[in-house]
Order: sequence, then C-alpha cells, then structure tokens
Amino acid sequence: DQQVKQNSPSLSVQEGRISILNCDYTNSMFDYFLWYKKYPAEGPTFLISISSIKDKNEDGRFTVFLNKSAKHLSLHIVPSQPGDSAVYFCAASEYGGSQGNLIFGKGTKLSVKP
Amino acid sequence: GAGVSQSPSNKVTEKGKDVELRCDPISGHTALYWYRQRLGQGLEFLIYFQGNSAPDKSGLPSDRFSAERTGESVSTLTIQRTQQEDSAVYLCASSLQGFGNSPLHFGNGTRLTVT
Repeated sequence: DQQVKQNSPSLSVQEGRISILNCDYTNSMFDYFLWYKKYPAEGPTFLISISSIKDKNEDGRFTVFLNKSAKHLSLHIVPSQPGDSAVYFCAASEYGGSQGNLIFGKGTKLSVKP
Repeated sequence: GAGVSQSPSNKVTEKGKDVELRCDPISGHTALYWYRQRLGQGLEFLIYFQGNSAPDKSGLPSDRFSAERTGESVSTLTIQRTQQEDSAVYLCASSLQGFGNSPLHFGNGTRLTVT
C-alpha cells in the first residue's frame, strides 16, 4: 500500500508557464516532506523541503505548498524552463527529518517545451 | 569529486550468482542509505546506517540481502543467489546526520540486471 502517491506519471508544460506537481500521502504521522529531481542515469538531487509546521516554503523559482488537512503537497515551478525537464519525486518522513528512511512516490516526469 | 560514488555503474549477472555493490559516501557524512528503483517504480528503501550500525533494516526484501558499513565510510550491499526480480537500479545516499537540515545526496546508482 503506497503511503506517498504521485498520481500523474507525466506532465507537459510550455516554457515560461507554471508547472504544478502534486503529491498525496496517507500517513498522518509524516511531518517532513521533500522534493527530489532526477535526470536519466543520475541519482536524485534534493530540490526543496518543508516541515509540517509550515504550509509554504519558497526557494527561487520553486515553491512547495503543504495542506495537512488534505494530506496533500504540491511543487510549483515558475517560470518553467526546458532544463527543468526531469522526473520529480515527492518524499516524506515521520521523524522530523532526524533519522530513518524516506518514503518516496513513484515520480512525475515533467517535460518543459521550448 | 566530492559526491557519493557507487561501483560498478552497471552489473549483469546470471541468476543464482552473488553480487556485491559498493558505495563511497561523502566524507564526513554519518548517515548512509540504500534504496532501489525497479522499472516503473518509485524509490524503495532498503537499509539505513548511522555510523557503522544499521538501526533500520526493515526494507531488506529477503535474507538474501545484507549490507555492512565500515569505518563510518564505505558500505557494501550484497545480494546472494540473485533472482530476476532483483533487477533494478540500486541507489546509495549519504547525509551529514539524518536529512532534516542535510538532505540526502545520492550517487548515480548501480544498474543490476539478472539474466
């Protein structure tokens, strides 16, 4: 049973527009969430994170929103660039980020068209 | 480079053989993780090391899988009597301490193919 779900396997967006990647989770004990980006033949790289005490975290073009009541988070990329084309993984933990494993979703492949 | 290094990058083995995968974490990182990604799937947690001990082995799929870490550095993941369902990309990651303020840094993975 998947605890972290990314229901859209792929997303296509025009360059300059907003990309919105969604993630849902089922475990109410999760209190720390991260987004990773993965290019082919490379390991995932950390993008942005958010603690459950916040509902928004922003870093440049990337913003993560957390809706605890809906057990939903989203990653917004504005403006989208062709170099953003990659697979994006949502991940969650119930240890406040202090230890233990991360539970990953299956990923969403983002394609940004010039 | 200063990143996480994994070897080999690709491994093809016959069913029933044993394989050993190696991970060199970033120097000074106390936490080390093994994940695997099977085709079309997300990243699946296998095992986590804090220093040389493994407080969480809950993700190891069977007793054919084992891992160790020495010198708070190199880790090896061993799969005995490989099966075709073991085919996957095996990813290693390290972090300074957990990942709250120091997120995981992943290597490029070892692609294992069991024929």
